[in-house]
Amino acid sequence: DTGVSQNPRHKITKRGQNVTFRCDPISEHNRLYWYRQTLGQGPEFLTYFQNEAQLEKSRLLSDRFSAERPKGSFSTLEIQRTEQGDSAMYLCASSAGTGEHEQYFGPGTRLTVT
Amino acid sequence: AQSVAQPEDQVNVAEGNPLTVKCTYSVSGNPYLFWYVQYPNRGLQFLLKYITGDNLVKGSYGFEAEFNKSQTSFHLKKPSALVSDSALYFCAVRDTLAMRFGAGTRLTVKP
Repeated sequence: DTGVSQNPRHKITKRGQNVTFRCDPISEHNRLYWYRQTLGQGPEFLTYFQNEAQLEKSRLLSDRFSAERPKGSFSTLEIQRTEQGDSAMYLCASSAGTGEHEQYFGPGTRLTVT
Repeated sequence: AQSVAQPEDQVNVAEGNPLTVKCTYSVSGNPYLFWYVQYPNRGLQFLLKYITGDNLVKGSYGFEAEFNKSQTSFHLKKPSALVSDSALYFCAVRDTLAMRFGAGTRLTVKP
């Protein structure tokens, strides 16, 4: 399967703990995006990478959130001191370019903070 | 900022009947519009896009969408619905680098 992959698929954590998610994009795509989706809503943009450079961050991305993409390949999204409001589906997408290029999404990581 | 709206939370159709899932947009400049489908416990799958050119765009699984500039709409259509089309559908618009998604429309196709 050469699509976007995400790990883990599910994560249950206690409030205050740190969590890290991984995304492996389609290999030839140099653009990578993170979105958050809550129940009954469409995905909301969090952050964007072109190669290893993080070029845009949403105001939704508080200082507890950090994302990296070392060497422009896979990416990680870390949430520190998790809160119950962080419970959501975290989606990763990649694309071959911006503008007219569609984004291809992974299956997501569902985070539950108890 | 660019945005899209999906006025219907739920659409119900009978198998074999035509279906329409509505989307309206608000953009400055020329819009790049997309439709995605989401099945339970799975990521979003790309269906089709409008960038420029012909107002009727054909996509995956027999879906098509009609771009209407005067009505600022980009409705998703299919001539004959299948039960397997039941899913959550999202309209999206490209906003500089990110996609802006609508809230989604749940399509239920009944046998």
